[in-house]
Amino acid sequence: NAGVTQTPKFQVLKTGQSMTLQCAQDMNHEYMSWYRQDPGMGLRLIHYSVGAGITDQGEVPNGYNVSRSTTEDFPLRLLSAAPSQTSVYFCASSPGFTAGGKQFFGPGTRLTVL
Amino acid sequence: TQLLEQSPQFLSIQEGENLTVYCNSSSVFSSLQWYRQEPGEGPVLLVTVVTGGEVKKLKRLTFQFGDARKDSSLHITAAQPGDTGLYLCAGFTSGTYKYIFGTGTRLKVLA
Repeated sequence: NAGVTQTPKFQVLKTGQSMTLQCAQDMNHEYMSWYRQDPGMGLRLIHYSVGAGITDQGEVPNGYNVSRSTTEDFPLRLLSAAPSQTSVYFCASSPGFTAGGKQFFGPGTRLTVL
Repeated sequence: TQLLEQSPQFLSIQEGENLTVYCNSSSVFSSLQWYRQEPGEGPVLLVTVVTGGEVKKLKRLTFQFGDARKDSSLHITAAQPGDTGLYLCAGFTSGTYKYIFGTGTRLKVLA
């Protein structure tokens, strides 16, 4: 199993550009989520999904869209990039969404918006 | 808004010393997890505690969930340089299916 994969690893955008961060998992996990981590800080939840076709907002959803058409994939779209979106983005998956579910994290995408 | 505050934010200690990291909230969580993150990598789960008052041990690490399920602590005995990293707590709420992460504690253990 590859686990949770994220592409690209690094990305530089100009203000106003759009792009999609890819996330895939091969563990048949129901729960998937996107976080951003700013320097010296913990992770903040952007969006999450409890199954294909179901998504919901986290703490900081503005400027981001997600969709979950399959169990495996959970792409994150930046609609119009802003310097405030410069961050490291992590995707995670979990086999369930009950208390105690283990989250598996991808290696992260480092995004810089100029 | 649910918040998880960790203390201390930074900790630099000598090898062999003991330390405790705290994770506090005014909210009740269904479970609480502790992660360790190395530079350039994603967080890796260390432990999950579910029951109020629960204590779990992982070698030299001891994790405790508060009786009211609002707080947790991580105690490391005889710290080693390999314990260096960013420690994150994360609370899970069954009703919302959300994980809320703490602000993080950056630990450096000097040889």
